[in-house]
Amino acid sequence: KAGVTQTPRYLIKTRGQQVTLSCSPISGHRSVSWYQQTPGQGLQFLFEYFSETQRNKGNFPGRFSGRQFSNSRSEMNVSTLELGDSALYLCASSRDSTSTDTQYFGPGTRLTVL
Amino acid sequence: EDQVTQSPEALRLQEGESSSLNCSYTVSGLRGLFWYRQDPGKGPEFLFTLYSAGEEKEKERLKATLTKKESFLHITAPKPEDSATYLCAVQASGGSYIPTFGRGTSLIVHP
Repeated sequence: KAGVTQTPRYLIKTRGQQVTLSCSPISGHRSVSWYQQTPGQGLQFLFEYFSETQRNKGNFPGRFSGRQFSNSRSEMNVSTLELGDSALYLCASSRDSTSTDTQYFGPGTRLTVL
Repeated sequence: EDQVTQSPEALRLQEGESSSLNCSYTVSGLRGLFWYRQDPGKGPEFLFTLYSAGEEKEKERLKATLTKKESFLHITAPKPEDSATYLCAVQASGGSYIPTFGRGTSLIVHP
């Protein structure tokens, strides 16, 4: 069974640009969550999507947005990039987060903002 | 607010030197506690889920235990390939069910 995949694996952008990251969950998983990981803050929850609807949202500014498609694939977008957005962005999928359900993580996208 | 505290932040062991990592948590009601392993530059890899106090799970040299306030990840006779950051996360029984993660313990095992 294929795991969670994320593309691209690495990105370099400059301040002010925008970026779109993609995540394909494990087959049959309907919940997709996004996290930002930095050395200083650890793993921070961005948002969670289920059945194309944002179900939960973390404490990030509106520059961070996402969506989910009918096949459960998800994208997240960051507009007007700032230096502080440099991080490892992780996507995790689970069958359904409204249960004790394990999240499985993808390899992440390493975003560097110059 | 749910809180997860992992200790120590960093741990250096010699190969074969057993030790334990701690995960202390505060939640209104525990639905599940998760342990992950993360190698540098990679996504966390799932290890265990524990649901109730007294539960234990094992995988190779790793054994996870759970009490009402904390969990331990015991590493028996570690090898250099066990070097990684170990993350703990808790899922509360109420609210959004989104897990809260600790900051992790960075483990280095020297040959």
